[in-house]
Amino acid sequence: GNSVTQMEGPVTLSEEAFLTINCTYTATGYPSLFWYVQYPGEGLQLLLKATKADDKGSNKGFEATYRKETTSFHLEKGSVQVSDSAVYFCALNLFSGGYNKLIFGAGTRLAVHP
Amino acid sequence: EAQVTQNPRYLITVTGKKLTVTCSQNMNHEYMSWYRQDPGLGLRQIYYSMNVEVTDKGDVPEGYKVSRKEKRNFPLILESPSPNQTSLYFCASSLGGHQGETQYFGPGTRLLVL
Repeated sequence: GNSVTQMEGPVTLSEEAFLTINCTYTATGYPSLFWYVQYPGEGLQLLLKATKADDKGSNKGFEATYRKETTSFHLEKGSVQVSDSAVYFCALNLFSGGYNKLIFGAGTRLAVHP
Repeated sequence: EAQVTQNPRYLITVTGKKLTVTCSQNMNHEYMSWYRQDPGLGLRQIYYSMNVEVTDKGDVPEGYKVSRKEKRNFPLILESPSPNQTSLYFCASSLGGHQGETQYFGPGTRLLVL
């Protein structure tokens, strides 16, 4: 079936550290891949996305590359800030029957300390 | 401001007492859906709607109902809530019909069923 696996959290980092959150997927067809972020007490916001293999999504210093050969979409940031503390969700998007279905990973909580 | 709104944001109720969570979007989106978020499980889709009067089950529809009488509104109804429906609920919307399109999420409704 279709599924997303993320590294378990929480991930705790010091400010300016390098961040990697691993995400791998299993899917039939050719999904689009997303990273959503959930700040404390808020809903989900799109962070970045990639719609086909080898595409790189980027936003706010975060990057992720759609790797079909390893079925991965790992999230990276070179220097995290305290304001990046949030829960990060990897998701795959399947398009079928005219609608988009999002399948989420379990989420990874990131805590950044000064 | 383009947004998805949900009401109420917080709700405590008792087993068996019918409740409705409202969802409204002002972006003229065709597609709307409901998710529940539970620890370790990420977000799972409850119901979705591709247009007015067109709704269908997601992955965890048991115990829920929805309706789509107007394009902007998509209420979630729990006719006889049970404690296992204690969760964080999100409504989402998107333009509809385009592969890999972004879904926009509401702020969430935290429900506790005693």
